[in-house]
Amino acid sequence: KQEVTQIPAALSVPEGENLVLNCSFTDSAIYNLQWFRQDPGKGLTSLLLIQSSQREQTSGRLNASLDKSSGRSTLYIAASQPGDSATYLCAAFLGGGSNYKLTFGKGTLLTVNP
Amino acid sequence: DARVTQTPRHKVTEMGQEVTMRCQPILGHNTVFWYRQTMMQGLELLAYFRNRAPLDDSGMPKDRFSAEMPDATLATLKIQPSEPRDSAVYFCASGSPSGHRGEKLFFGSGTQLSVL
Repeated sequence: KQEVTQIPAALSVPEGENLVLNCSFTDSAIYNLQWFRQDPGKGLTSLLLIQSSQREQTSGRLNASLDKSSGRSTLYIAASQPGDSATYLCAAFLGGGSNYKLTFGKGTLLTVNP
Repeated sequence: DARVTQTPRHKVTEMGQEVTMRCQPILGHNTVFWYRQTMMQGLELLAYFRNRAPLDDSGMPKDRFSAEMPDATLATLKIQPSEPRDSAVYFCASGSPSGHRGEKLFFGSGTQLSVL
């Protein structure tokens, strides 16, 4: 069964701190990995997309990396701000042939304290 | 500003009633996904379509759920009859038009379903 796991489930940090969120996946046949942000009661907003041929992607204070061999991805947030407080989900496009699907982790709830 | 539109935003119904949720994907996107989100299970894939054809609905309870794309601008998810355990937020997402596996997804705001 294809699985995506996120650690930690929750994280609380003071404002200004750099932090790392972790994501692991079980299937090495990965096509891409996406990081999303979800605010309470809202839908998901795509933050970064890393294709399987790439090692990392950057957008502003966010940097995501992908290591297919170890089945891991990390989302690095620099100089965290209270506005970064949200749930962060990673999702991996896994599978082979025509049987591929986007599988989500359960997310990391991030709280950045002023 | 292109976005995925879902209706209704909220739905409260009684057990046994039919529920229909609608999704308008972003114009030009050729992939549509339906997800269900609960606290316990997180986001679960129910079904997805490419070029209006269903590719995978293995995550969907077949006896009561059905998903269709009558045309390129409308996707529907129907539950009949609904049960309290169906209470969840249902999200629709459409994929950017790369025509390639692993396209970037854009999510709607979801339908909050409560079955009493």
